[in-house]
Amino acid sequence: EVQLVESGGGLVQPGGSLRLSCTASGFSFRSYWMHWVRQVPGKGPVWVSRTNSDGSGITYADSVKGRFSISRDNAQSMLYLHMNSLRVEDTAVYYCARYYFDTAGFYYMDVWGRGTTVTVSS
Amino acid sequence: DIQMTQSPSSLSASVGDRVSISCRASQSISSDLNWYQQRAGKAPKPLIYGASRLHSGVPSRFSGSGSGTDFTLTISSLQPEDFATYYCQQHYTSPLTFGGGTKVEIK
Repeated sequence: EVQLVESGGGLVQPGGSLRLSCTASGFSFRSYWMHWVRQVPGKGPVWVSRTNSDGSGITYADSVKGRFSISRDNAQSMLYLHMNSLRVEDTAVYYCARYYFDTAGFYYMDVWGRGTTVTVSS
Repeated sequence: DIQMTQSPSSLSASVGDRVSISCRASQSISSDLNWYQQRAGKAPKPLIYGASRLHSGVPSRFSGSGSGTDFTLTISSLQPEDFATYYCQQHYTSPLTFGGGTKVEIK
């Protein structure tokens, strides 16, 4: 079964750090680009970051640039999001998602994890 | 950034109804538009990609149309399991952006 499982969320004070993990199984992880997406309950999802299949091509949303770092370990089928200088507005459910490339050249997030909750509060 | 605007933000409908949800991009995105369904407390699930292509396993009552700036998700005959929130998302350019969502509720 194709599966993504996030972990590492929790309660952290403003200015603190956290590392989220995403464990992939059931597919060839090294072949796929991966994303982190976050969502405040009751609001739409917000894209955070993505990495290409070997980690050499990475982009971030402006809101997290310089504070968050995405990385991957293809040997362990793991995706990470290192979050520093956390702010109250970073509070959300964080999802990892697989990026599927259709043969016609279309891309979409075809597999999502269940999410892990990050709460930034004093 | 490309802004994605969905309408309506919510709607009430009955089982068997035909439902349409609109998504408008702030600039042309060709056909680089995806739709996702999210049930309460769950992760989003893909429905439609490339504006009109059905993700594997999605029932044929779901369809997507449009190109450029205006897109529509249609559910031809609403089923009990379709009551959820629907989001559009563009992948024309970075950053990827989502719409604010349309909540489909039971009338």
